[in-house]
Amino acid sequence: AQSVTQLGSHVSVSEGALVLLRCNYSSSVPPYLFWYVQYPNQGLQLLLKYTTGATLVKGINGFEAEFKKSETSFHLTKPSAHMSDAAEYFCAVFNNQGGKLIFGQGTELSVKP
Amino acid sequence: KAGVTQTPRYLIKTRGQQVTLSCSPISGHRSVSWYQQTPGQGLQFLFEYFSETQRNKGNFPGRFSGRQFSNSRSEMNVSTLELGDSALYLCASSSTWDRVGETQYFGPGTRLLVL
Repeated sequence: AQSVTQLGSHVSVSEGALVLLRCNYSSSVPPYLFWYVQYPNQGLQLLLKYTTGATLVKGINGFEAEFKKSETSFHLTKPSAHMSDAAEYFCAVFNNQGGKLIFGQGTELSVKP
Repeated sequence: KAGVTQTPRYLIKTRGQQVTLSCSPISGHRSVSWYQQTPGQGLQFLFEYFSETQRNKGNFPGRFSGRQFSNSRSEMNVSTLELGDSALYLCASSSTWDRVGETQYFGPGTRLLVL
């Protein structure tokens, strides 16, 4: 069975600081991994995804994530946080057999001025 | 291209009633998936439709049902509402269902409150 674990339900950073949101996955087959962001009262917006190929994936709004098979991780980073990055972030793995996304519990990012 | 649209955006119902939510996918997308989001359980998959056929179903009771029309628009229905059905219901569309890792694009959701 596939699963996703996001370490830290809440992360707080200062504006301009590094953002690091952690995601670990469990999968018996090559995983297809996604990061989505959810702003208040909105749906999910795709930040980036990893399918095959380059393990460092660049997304929108300056975010990137690195797929590390040996560590079963897909952590999301951004070099410099902006106030507008405050939102909830979800890591997900595509379930090949069910045709569905399996989500982590989410990490709420707060950005302090 | 217009994104995924969901109607209504907000809904208040009482226990025992039924509700129907609507989702219009991105033009050209034929796969529609539904998810339930609650603070306690997070995001959970309900079901997925492609070409008017339910392809996959999550672990929800039979009170939750859905359908897809020939124009790919989808509806989900919840009968005999319970307080625990209060949630944000998200619809997602993708161009196909059997291409592994296909991106799902989400709508803004319908927030359902059951009193």
